[in-house]
Amino acid sequence: AQSVTQPDIHITVSEGASLELRCNYSYGATPYLFWYVQSPGQGLQLLLKYFSGDTLVQGIKGFEAEFKRSQSSFNLRKPSVHWSDAAEYFCAVGESNYQLIWGAGTKLIIKP
Amino acid sequence: DVKVTQSSRYLVKRTGEKVFLECVQDMDHENMFWYRQDPGLGLRLIYFSYDVKMKEKGDIPEGYSVSREKKERFSLILESASTNQTSMYLCASSTEEGRTGELFFGEGSRLTVL
Repeated sequence: AQSVTQPDIHITVSEGASLELRCNYSYGATPYLFWYVQSPGQGLQLLLKYFSGDTLVQGIKGFEAEFKRSQSSFNLRKPSVHWSDAAEYFCAVGESNYQLIWGAGTKLIIKP
Repeated sequence: DVKVTQSSRYLVKRTGEKVFLECVQDMDHENMFWYRQDPGLGLRLIYFSYDVKMKEKGDIPEGYSVSREKKERFSLILESASTNQTSMYLCASSTEEGRTGELFFGEGSRLTVL
């Protein structure tokens, strides 16, 4: 069955430290891959997406993600987090907007 | 900037009531979506629409219906609300863009059914 797993429900990181949020998927073909962020009280916003080509993709707010086909992973990274990065992060995969499969989300907590 | 506006941020309804959740987008997007967001379950697609008067079921359409009479407006209807429909409801829109364009989300409507 197709699925998306975000293994970490919560992650706590000190401000200025690096961040990696994990996303693993099970999908028949190579899907399109997305990361969205939901700040408190806000709707979701697209951080970045991967369709093809270079497996390291750059997004907004200093985030990047790397597609690893052999591991069926699309992990999100940021070299130095800011307090404003505290939010919930969702990984999604699919062949179209009509068929996205969403992970359960990872809540990022920033320690001062 | 694209703006997706959901009419109510918070609603409290009683079991059996009819509930309307309204969503309006201002960027002439073809596609509109209704999602339900529950802790630990991520987002689940209820219905989507790719054109006026067109609608398609998503993963969890039971207990819901939708209406899209105008391109900019997509309504979610709970004919007879039940307690298990207590949730956060998110509306989104997107352009056609190969069907993989960015989704633009509203801020959500938190519905409590008593």
